[in-house]
Amino acid sequence: SYELTQPPSVSVSPGQTARITCSGDALPKQYAYWYQQKPGQAPVLVIYKDTERPSGIPERFSGSSSGTTVTLTISGVQTQDEADYYCQSAADGGIYRVFGGGTKLTVL
Amino acid sequence: QVQLVESGGGLVKPGGSLRLSCAASGFRFSDYYMSWIRQAPGKGLEWVSHIDFSDGAKYYADFVEGRFTISRDDAENSLFLQMNSLRVEDTAIYYCVREGTWGSGSYFPDFWGQGTLVTVSS
Repeated sequence: SYELTQPPSVSVSPGQTARITCSGDALPKQYAYWYQQKPGQAPVLVIYKDTERPSGIPERFSGSSSGTTVTLTISGVQTQDEADYYCQSAADGGIYRVFGGGTKLTVL
Repeated sequence: QVQLVESGGGLVKPGGSLRLSCAASGFRFSDYYMSWIRQAPGKGLEWVSHIDFSDGAKYYADFVEGRFTISRDDAENSLFLQMNSLRVEDTAIYYCVREGTWGSGSYFPDFWGQGTLVTVSS
């Protein structure tokens, strides 16, 4: 079955840049999406179509894509950005939704 | 504003059944695909099922193995998940999720409810 691979954890200091990667063989053909989930809360969409940012999401969140890897970048990380981040894409021509295992972002 | 409110979760014994419901408001329900996505305690997100427009095509994750049925009632702005033959490993928060395209041509989860907890235990 199709898998998306994320690092389990990323740690940065406030004000630094955090980069979270997501790898999958179908990513050159399917868009990737990123969700932020804080403890006890539902996930929130922060990036769609690889690079687009929904209204209301701070500009410090950005997405990029290169081959089989997509990257969520958070510039000038703030303590409130500490959360789990999940990438999501699709398999089998877009029918089956697949999630990465999640990355816990710790702001030291 | 968009609201998705799940109900129907609870404690059930292995082999039992539950029917989850999701009441949608704040958007034209019939214009969107809808999904159920779950999260086991302390674990990641796992897609369960989605349904296209107007009780159309339905898709399920492999682990469902014919045990769950997704359905929708556009007149009532509601989404359902009938879960039979529940297993301990089905224990999770089940999220009702709207799917939109945002001009991409592909549907994806764009708004999540707060979830309902399903616990399967003897």
